Amino acid sequence: QSALTQPASVSGSPGQSITISCTGISSDVGGYNYVSWYQQHPGKAPKLMIYEVKYRPSGVSNRFSGSKSGNTASLTISGLQAEDEADYYCSSYTSSSTVFGGGTKLTVL
Amino acid sequence: QVQLQESGPGLVKASQTLSLTCTVSGGSISNGGYYWSWIRQHPGKGLEWIGYIYYSGSTYYNPSLKSRVTISLDTSKNQFSLKLNSVTAADTAVYYCARDGGGLADFWGQGTLVTVSS
Repeated sequence: QSALTQPASVSGSPGQSITISCTGISSDVGGYNYVSWYQQHPGKAPKLMIYEVKYRPSGVSNRFSGSKSGNTASLTISGLQAEDEADYYCSSYTSSSTVFGGGTKLTVL
Repeated sequence: QVQLQESGPGLVKASQTLSLTCTVSGGSISNGGYYWSWIRQHPGKGLEWIGYIYYSGSTYYNPSLKSRVTISLDTSKNQFSLKLNSVTAADTAVYYCARDGGGLADFWGQGTLVTVSS
């Protein structure tokens, strides 16, 4: 069970859009539509932002969107705001277990 | 609103057993449809799924930890627990409990730091 692959860091200016990728294999990301994305601010617990590839929980801004193509899922944040600066993790269901990505640090310039 | 709260010793000696409890409020762990999870985060590192237990009692563990992990339910107290035996310094981490609806952890505890000392 290897971790999903995410870029270590991404950055963008306020108002811009950024995309974070999450690459797995056919037995996790590619095999199920159970990809989630979490936002984590320093010292805080992760917060669910996207589930089942593209759905937003109640209360999450529609600036956050998710998609998937093959073995790679993506999180896009549009209209970047200062408060979006955080670590982002993807996860995928895989054969009765869960695997996380290594995390991506988003810096808002 | 479901709330989760981890509790347990913050310091464990190497080779001993780490034991944590997660108390759930605002909902019953006996309700179907949810997995009750443990996830950890090593200092400055990413998230690592430890395992979860279904309301029925079925358990699922990370293969890399399976030989040392036990997750159990106490429905009378609306709690679930984690035991990790034979700990080493590599088990020092913040431990989170969470409710998992099937590939998504929608409610998390605040996390508790457990340090393994030699």
